[in-house]
Amino acid sequence: GQNIDQPTEMTATEGAIVQINCTYQTSGFNGLFWYQQHAGEAPTFLSYNVLDGLEEKGRFSSFLSRSKGYSYLLLKELQMKDSASYLCAAPNTGGFKTIFGAGTRLFVKA
Amino acid sequence: EAQVTQNPRYLITVTGKKLTVTCSQNMNHEYMSWYRQDPGLGLRQIYYSMNVEVTDKGDVPEGYKVSRKEKRNFPLILESPSPNQTSLYFCATSGRVSEKLFFGSGTQLSVL
Repeated sequence: GQNIDQPTEMTATEGAIVQINCTYQTSGFNGLFWYQQHAGEAPTFLSYNVLDGLEEKGRFSSFLSRSKGYSYLLLKELQMKDSASYLCAAPNTGGFKTIFGAGTRLFVKA
Repeated sequence: EAQVTQNPRYLITVTGKKLTVTCSQNMNHEYMSWYRQDPGLGLRQIYYSMNVEVTDKGDVPEGYKVSRKEKRNFPLILESPSPNQTSLYFCATSGRVSEKLFFGSGTQLSVL
């Protein structure tokens, strides 16, 4: 089966750096996604990793280690507007659906 | 502008009264999907469609129906809603299954 685990909540300070971890178990691999979701709104795409290593996109970076079944999302120079849930997700091995983790709620405090 | 239009945004209904949540996309995508989101459980797939007239069950299909008569539309039908279907629903689409998903704005459904 497939399973995605990520912490339930994290708190960080404005201007700081935060790392949100995700571990996944799949019998195959089709890449790993990160989505951002503000309360009451739809998820929006942040990043996609299919090869090992770090992908940087402005203040946000995402890392993947396929051998360890591990990914993280790194948010730098945190802003209050970064308070949201961050969803780790992976297409399943049959390629018919995307499996989501339960999400990590990030609280950014002043 | 690429859009996934989902309606209604909020819906309150009573047990047993049939309802339909509509979803339409203008991106000419083949893949469309419905998810429900509940606190602590994350997004769970209800049904998906790989193309016109091709639909299949996701992880939590009980109590739901879908149809895909046109490429752009993928309505979710609750023939006899029950209180345990109270949830936040999202329609999503992508060019192919393994590509990033574009989500509708969501439908907050309450079944009394």
